[in-house]
Amino acid sequence: KAGVTQTPRYLIKTRGQQVTLSCSPISGHRSVSWYQQTPGQGLQFLFEYFSETQRNKGNFPGRFSGRQFSNSRSEMNVSTLELGDSALYLCASCRYPGTGETQYFGPGTRLLVL
Amino acid sequence: AQSVTQLGSHVSVSEGALVLLRCNYSSSVPPYLFWYVQYPNQGLQLLLKYTSAATLVKGINGFEAEFKKSETSFHLTKPSAHMSDAAEYFCAVSDHQGGSEKLVFGKGMKLTVNP
Repeated sequence: KAGVTQTPRYLIKTRGQQVTLSCSPISGHRSVSWYQQTPGQGLQFLFEYFSETQRNKGNFPGRFSGRQFSNSRSEMNVSTLELGDSALYLCASCRYPGTGETQYFGPGTRLLVL
Repeated sequence: AQSVTQLGSHVSVSEGALVLLRCNYSSSVPPYLFWYVQYPNQGLQLLLKYTSAATLVKGINGFEAEFKKSETSFHLTKPSAHMSDAAEYFCAVSDHQGGSEKLVFGKGMKLTVNP
């Protein structure tokens, strides 16, 4: 069974630009969550989607947005990039949230903002 | 609100020595607790989890953890460290209220294994 895939793996952008990251969950998984990992703040929760609905949102500015499609694939978008948005963005999937199911993480997208 | 404390950021052990990584949690509901490992330039891999069954949980690669409600702890141990255990380890608690699976992570602990 294929794992969680994230594209692209690496991105370089400049301040003010926007970026879209993609996540394909494991087949049969309907829940997708996104996390931001930085050396200073560690792993922080961004969003959680289940059946195309946002179930939970972390404490991030409105520049960060996401969505989930009917095939459970998810995208997140960051507009007006800032230097502090440089991070590893991780996506995780599970079948049904709220039941203690294992969340499987993808390899991440490393974003560098110059 | 849920939170996790991992005291310190680095731990160094000799190959063959005991590995002990501490994790304390705070949760307003019965917790689901997880330990993940991250190797350089990779995502997170689940080592083990506690979801209200047996309090002593065995995971992959010889790791285990014990849930102690009275101490609000979920420490990770391995009797004998191997060079391949060098990685960063994260303890997490699930904020599973309202059908969410949001994970709240500790700051992580970088494990070095010396030959």
